[in-house]
Formats: sequence, C-alpha cells, structure tokens
Amino acid sequence: EPEVTQTPSHQVTQMGQEVILRCVPISNHLYFYWYRQILGQKVEFLVSFYNNEISEKSEIFDDQFSVERPDGSNFTLKIRSTKLEDSAMYFCASSVDSVQNTEAFFGQGTRLTVV
Amino acid sequence: DAKTTQPPSMDCAEGRAANLPCNHSTISGNEYVYWYRQIHSQGPQYIIHGLKNNETNEMASLIITEDRKSSTLILPHATLRDTAVYYCIVSDSWGKLQFGAGTQVVVTP
Repeated sequence: EPEVTQTPSHQVTQMGQEVILRCVPISNHLYFYWYRQILGQKVEFLVSFYNNEISEKSEIFDDQFSVERPDGSNFTLKIRSTKLEDSAMYFCASSVDSVQNTEAFFGQGTRLTVV
Repeated sequence: DAKTTQPPSMDCAEGRAANLPCNHSTISGNEYVYWYRQIHSQGPQYIIHGLKNNETNEMASLIITEDRKSSTLILPHATLRDTAVYYCIVSDSWGKLQFGAGTQVVVTP
C-alpha cells in the first residue's frame, strides 16, 4: 500500500534555530497538509497546499512557518526560529484531491523537540 | 472547537463488535462524517466516511441516522490491534480536519 513518508522521525533542535521537516507524499496525490499534535493534546490542522500555493492555514501557522514543494516529490515544513512550544509531533498528509470520495493518508510523523 | 461529541473511553472484548457513538447535532448539509483512529502516537489512520447513507468497508461500518445528527462506527470483530483513539470528524473537505479528543478504545482479551 502506498504511504506518506516523513523524515526525520525525531528531531532535536535548540531554541531559536531553524528546522525543516520533510515529507514525501504519495506520488499521484495533489493536495498536501501539515498537522501537529502537542503531547497529550489534540491533532491540530496547520496548513493545506495545492498547486504550489497555500490553500488554507490555521491561526497557528504564523510567519514563523512556511511550506514548500521544492521538487516533484518532497513537501517541507520550515520553522524559522523554533520556540519551546513548537515541540510536538508533526504529521504530513496527502490526498488525490480535496473532495470527499478520496482518502487522506497521514505519515507516521516527526517528533520535534525544542530544547 | 470540534463539532462532534464522543465518549472519552470505551472497553471492548476481543472478538466482539465495538460500537462507537458520535453526536454531531450541528452538522450542515454538505459536511461528511469521517472516522480516523490513532494508535499510540502514530499518524491518524483513515477508517471510513459517509454523507447520508450507511457505509461499509473492510475495516468497519458506519451507520448515520436519518437526521444526520449522530452516527455509529462499528468494528465488527475487535482485535487487540484495534486498541486506539477513535476520532469522529465532520467536515466539508479533507483540507481542514478538526480533531477532537476522540474515544479511547481498549480491546481486552
């Protein structure tokens, strides 16, 4: 079964440093998403991306965050200057399209720890 | 805030059917009901979704009431590997799924 791949599985970074989380969506998918889950809390939507543009973003996704599809396979989330409260699991997801008759697949996540 | 209400936890005996309820009394006409589950801290796993009609796939069945204000996810023969947090979500697209606290299901031998 095709899967969304995320790297690294665990990232430790110092406060104030930039971090890039990487995702390889399923190859024929066109819509890409980032979610995060702070330990013990709910899964929260961050951003959706289609046709090289952000299509929707949440209040969490402020100027410190950016997303990019640098080539035909990768989808990245960058945090410019990490804060302690950015520590969380970050999940990438993708879907063929945004309509309801298709599934959205999630990756296994990157655990980001800011120290 | 999530638009759904689920019980915080539920136990189920292995081999028995697990019936997970969800209330979504404010659902609008173009919103679908989605079910996902999360095992430990892994990525959410899609289970099933529907609009009005009952749906069945290899994992589960989804029963939606006629007024669409509630639904039930049925795992027909629960196994230990079905122990997870189950999320009921209503949304009009895949793009912005609002996860609530979900139901912690524990399947016991």
